[in-house]
Formats: sequence, structure tokens, C-alpha cells
Amino acid sequence: KQEVTQIPAALSVPEGENLVLNCSFTDSAIYNLQWFRQDPGKGLTSLLLIQSSQREQTSGRLNASLDKSSGRSTLYIAASQPGDSATYLCAVGTDSWGKFQFGAGTQVVVTP
Amino acid sequence: DTGVSQDPRHKITKRGQNVTFRCDPISEHNRLYWYRQTLGQGPEFLTYFQNEAQLEKSRLLSDRFSAERPKGSFSTLEIQRTEQGDSAMYLCASSFTGGNYGYTFGSGTRLTVV
Repeated sequence: KQEVTQIPAALSVPEGENLVLNCSFTDSAIYNLQWFRQDPGKGLTSLLLIQSSQREQTSGRLNASLDKSSGRSTLYIAASQPGDSATYLCAVGTDSWGKFQFGAGTQVVVTP
Repeated sequence: DTGVSQDPRHKITKRGQNVTFRCDPISEHNRLYWYRQTLGQGPEFLTYFQNEAQLEKSRLLSDRFSAERPKGSFSTLEIQRTEQGDSAMYLCASSFTGGNYGYTFGSGTRLTVV
């Protein structure tokens, strides 16, 4: 069974610092990997989707990398802002039907 | 296109009562997924549909849970004889076959069983 781990569970950074969020998974046979953002008490917002054939995806200040062989993905957020404070979840696509296995998330606080 | 809608946003029910949640996906999305999320955890897969066909059910989905998607449009998730352990956020997501499997999630239904 695919297991997804996100470490650390929480981190706090001062505004302007770059954020590095880690995700590891146990089975390298993935279909894709998606990063989500979740604000307290709310649903999830998709940030980036990386197909299994891709090494990275970029959107604005966000960049996600994927290394299937080592079972890792990293989400980089450049020049963090207080509005980036949220929980970030990594989800591994386990089949062609679009089912995902989620990590528990990393709670990020960006202090002004 | 107003995104994925879930109703109600919050539900408080007494143990033993039945509850039903509704999800309206993005109209052109033919796939619909239900997940459950408890505090401090990531969402756990419950079930999914392609059009009106329910293709997979998680072992988390006991006999007290049933989901339907009549006509391949909106979906309902019913929980019978609710237990305190059912308290969670129930999330619905939709996607489009042949796309990149990117999800759009709804805002969720927060269930509290007292």
C-alpha cells in the first residue's frame, strides 16, 4: 500500500524567506502527484499537478519537483508572504482513475 | 461554472440518526470522488464514480455508508445510524477523464455527531 509522509508537520518562517516543503512516498509506481493548499475549515485548492513523466512544474512563485526513483517531491515557495500561511498537502495518484493517497500535510505560518 | 458545491456546510446530528450530504460537481466533469478528513490528517479516499457508475469503494466505507450519483450529475453520500467516529469533514472532488486528473474540491461538509 502506498504511504505518503510529509515532514515537518509544521513550520514557521519570517516573511520573505523561501519555503521548502517535503513529501515522500513508498511506492515509486505513481501516476502523478499533486500539491494542495488548505485553509482552516475549508476545502482543498490545487496548486500544482506533476505527471509521472515530468520532473517539475512551475506556477508563479511555486515550483514542485518530482523524483520517482527516490520517492520524493518538493514544493518550493519563493519569497513567502503572510497570505501563504496554510496547510500544504501532497497527494500521490495511485491509479489511472484519479484516486489519490494524501499525506497528513505541513502547516505553514509566515510571520510578518 | 461555480466550482464544486457541497451542501450542507455543517451538520450536527445525534448518534443513531441518518444524514445525507449532497455534492454538485463541475458540470463537464464526469468523475466524482468522496473523501473523509479528520483533524490533523490528510483526506482519506471513500469512493468514486465515473458518470453514474460507482467504480470503487474503500474499506473505510462500512455498510452504513452509501453513495449514489444518479444520471451522472450530482452525488449523495448517506450515513445511516451515525456514530461519534463518523465526525469528520466530508469532501467531494470532481475531475474530467482525459484531462490531467487535476482535482477541483468542494468546501466540504463538516459532520459532528453528538
